[in-house]
Parts: sequence; structure tokens; C-alpha cells
Amino acid sequence: EAQVTQNPRYLITVTGKKLTVTCSQNMNHEYMSWYRQDPGLGLRQIYYSMNVEVTDKGDVPEGYKVSRKEKRNFPLILESPSPNQTSLYFCASSLTSGDTQYFGPGTRLTVL
Amino acid sequence: EDQVTQSPEALRLQEGESSSLNCSYTVSGLRGLFWYRQDPGKGPEFLFTLYSAGEEKEKERLKATLTKKESFLHITAPKPEDSATYLCAVRGGSYIPTFGRGTSLIVHP
Repeated sequence: EAQVTQNPRYLITVTGKKLTVTCSQNMNHEYMSWYRQDPGLGLRQIYYSMNVEVTDKGDVPEGYKVSRKEKRNFPLILESPSPNQTSLYFCASSLTSGDTQYFGPGTRLTVL
Repeated sequence: EDQVTQSPEALRLQEGESSSLNCSYTVSGLRGLFWYRQDPGKGPEFLFTLYSAGEEKEKERLKATLTKKESFLHITAPKPEDSATYLCAVRGGSYIPTFGRGTSLIVHP
């Protein structure tokens, strides 16, 4: 089954404790991206990757890091999480940058 | 800067009562307008992609249309299972898509 998976689905952590949210897709897609979704603000792109070893900032990259060492994986790293990063996070992938994006199930992060 | 405005923010319909959701946009060089459906606590699910003015696409009770300034998602004879948030997004010259805030649709039986 073609899908985008994220782990963990739920995470509660404390300020400053480094964390990684994994994202994997099995569709051989080149383009992958991370979004956060906040009430009243909609979906905002954090980072995107056009292909392996090619990443770039989206609209709200501050406080986040990403890497793309393999085509299927695109982890999101919060090196020192803060409460304002409490949000619902989605990973997405598409064949290329202009194609339809397929979203993962989401990761609900709470930073205390 | 690309912008997407969706209206209304929320819509309540009776089962069978047809209506339309609006997505107004400004974008430099439209490369695609996307409609998604999002159920509570889940990731957006792709519905349609439109690329040029005049284009229309249909899927069951949903029909999406596109002009140079806006897109409509028409819902014909909706059912309670159509209740969800509907998101519109545009992709222009940059690689960063712009999403609207969505329309929350509730269909009462």
C-alpha cells in the first residue's frame, strides 16, 4: 500500500530536550516536505526536499532541522524544542515539486 | 506573495442541501490548485488538482472548478459522511505551496 508514515504519532516532551520525528514514504517520490498546522493559521511549510541531499527552508524553518540521506526518509529534528513548537506536524511527499502531495497521519507534539 | 482565502470558514448543511465552497487566490504563475479533505486528527487527503482556468473535475458528489481568480468546490446532495474540513492550496513559481485556512463543513442528517 502506497503511504507516508510518521513516528511517533503523539509526543509530550519538555523544553530543550532534543527530539526527532521520522517520516518515510514507499512511493519513490522525489519531493518531501514538513508542515505544521495550528488553529487559525492553517498549514505552513517548515522545510522541503527536492531530492536526496537537497533541502531548503519553507515559510517557518526557525527551530527546526531536516536531513535527506535516503530518498524514502525525511526526518524532522527539533534540537531544543520550545513551547511555541507545540503543534500538529505533517510530513508529505509527491513525485515532483509540482505534483499532488500525499500526507502522513500527523504527529501531535506538546512541548512543556 | 501568494495568498489563498477560503470562504466561508464554516458551513452547516442539511443532508441533500447542495452548496459551494470558495477559494480565492493570488499567485505568480499558477502551477496547480489543489483541493484536500481533512478529517479531525488526520492528514489531508487529496481530492483534485486543477491547472488552468476553465478546468473542471468531478468525484462522486464533489465538483471542482477553476477561474483565473478563484476555485469552487461544489457539493451536490451532501451526506453526513461529507463532513470534514476542506483545504485549498496553490503552487506558483516557488516550491512552497500556500494553503488556505480551510472551510469546516458539517452535514446534518
